[in-house]
Amino acid sequence: QVLLQESGPGLVKASETLSLSCTVSGGFIRSYYWSWIRQPPGKELEWIGYIYYSGSTNYNPSLKGRVTISVDTSKNQFSLRLSSVTAADTAVYYCAALTITAYKGAFDIWGQGTMVTVSS
Amino acid sequence: EIVLTQSPGTLSLSPGERATLSCRASQSVSSSYLAWYQQRPGQAPRLLIYGASSRATGIPDRFSGSGSGTDFTLTISRLEPEDFAVYYCQQYGSSPLLTFGGGTKVEIK
Repeated sequence: QVLLQESGPGLVKASETLSLSCTVSGGFIRSYYWSWIRQPPGKELEWIGYIYYSGSTNYNPSLKGRVTISVDTSKNQFSLRLSSVTAADTAVYYCAALTITAYKGAFDIWGQGTMVTVSS
Repeated sequence: EIVLTQSPGTLSLSPGERATLSCRASQSVSSSYLAWYQQRPGQAPRLLIYGASSRATGIPDRFSGSGSGTDFTLTISRLEPEDFAVYYCQQYGSSPLLTFGGGTKVEIK
């Protein structure tokens, strides 16, 4: 059973860079497209981007070049960096596993989520 | 840019009743790459339906999905107490690559 666990600071100052990691356990990191999704308090879900084990990435254009997702296969981890944060980036951040073929582009495994607050 | 519009915003029903949730896309969803998720308060979303109509592993058969093109439906045949939650649809393939709908809250009447 694949499990995902997010980690990182819960508080980030405005204009700085948000950094989170997701540890994959119980599964092979080459099996999925590893994704980040966020949810501002009381609002809907927003896809941030994904990375494949090979390093190929795809990002949501709405984040306008502020996003970098990387993978470390030796540690079974992938990471998110979001630069120049503002209060609008305050959200619960989820890591999730995207399966494009078998599950037709759906996220079948999710981490529990981690709340990140941007302070001024 | 594809937009997913879910309706109604809130559905007030009693346990045992049938729930019908709608997800309408502003343009056709590629090859029915449409999924549905359930999110209970304080929890991560859980995949219910993928490929518009296939149930994910362990999902009870009271949940069913249908539709194609731009109109999709999630039906819960008989609501159980644990089904009162927020439901999201999500598409893959159109620009932007992945988008979610705004959600439908199913609440106890």
